[in-house]
Amino acid sequence: EAQVTQNPRYLITVTGKKLTVTCSQNMNHEYMSWYRQDPGLGLRQIYYSMNVEVTDKGDVPEGYKVSRKEKRNFPLILESPSPNQTSLYFCASSQGTGIGIAEAFFGQGTRLTVV
Amino acid sequence: SQQGEEDPQALSIQEGENATMNCSYKTSINNLQWYRQNSGRGLVHLILIRSNEREKHSGRLRVTLDTSKKSSSLLITASRAADTASYFCATVSFTGFQKLVFGTGTRLLVSP
Repeated sequence: EAQVTQNPRYLITVTGKKLTVTCSQNMNHEYMSWYRQDPGLGLRQIYYSMNVEVTDKGDVPEGYKVSRKEKRNFPLILESPSPNQTSLYFCASSQGTGIGIAEAFFGQGTRLTVV
Repeated sequence: SQQGEEDPQALSIQEGENATMNCSYKTSINNLQWYRQNSGRGLVHLILIRSNEREKHSGRLRVTLDTSKKSSSLLITASRAADTASYFCATVSFTGFQKLVFGTGTRLLVSP
């Protein structure tokens, strides 16, 4: 089954404690991306990756890091989480084509609370 | 950022009625996509319309695109209670195809 898998689904952590949210896709997609969703703000892009070792900042990259060492995995790293990073996070992947990104497949989300 | 704006923010209708949601965006696009999100869950792709297309259908969904007005609409016909969800438009920039940028969404409530 084609899917994007995020872990964990729920996480409560304390300010400053480094954490990683994993994302894995089994569709051999080139394009992967992280979004955060906050009430009234829609989905805002954090980072995206066009392929292995190719990543770039989205609209709200501050406080986050990513890496793309393998095509299937795109972890999101919070080196020193703060309460304003409390949010619902989504990973997505898509086939990148020469005419633009095709439909994106989303993970089920990670609800992060930083206290 | 190149973010779409959906209108209305919330829509409440009865089963069997049609629901229309609008999306406006700011810059030239390569394609525009509509997604659905059930409460707190991942987004599901509904339909993609390319910049050179004006209308597209998929089952009870009809999407239009007017690039001169930088706007799109999603029509759900004969709505059902199961259509209750949030709907988002997302644009792919013509110049920066790496970015799939989402709007703020329309919350649709369909009452039985």
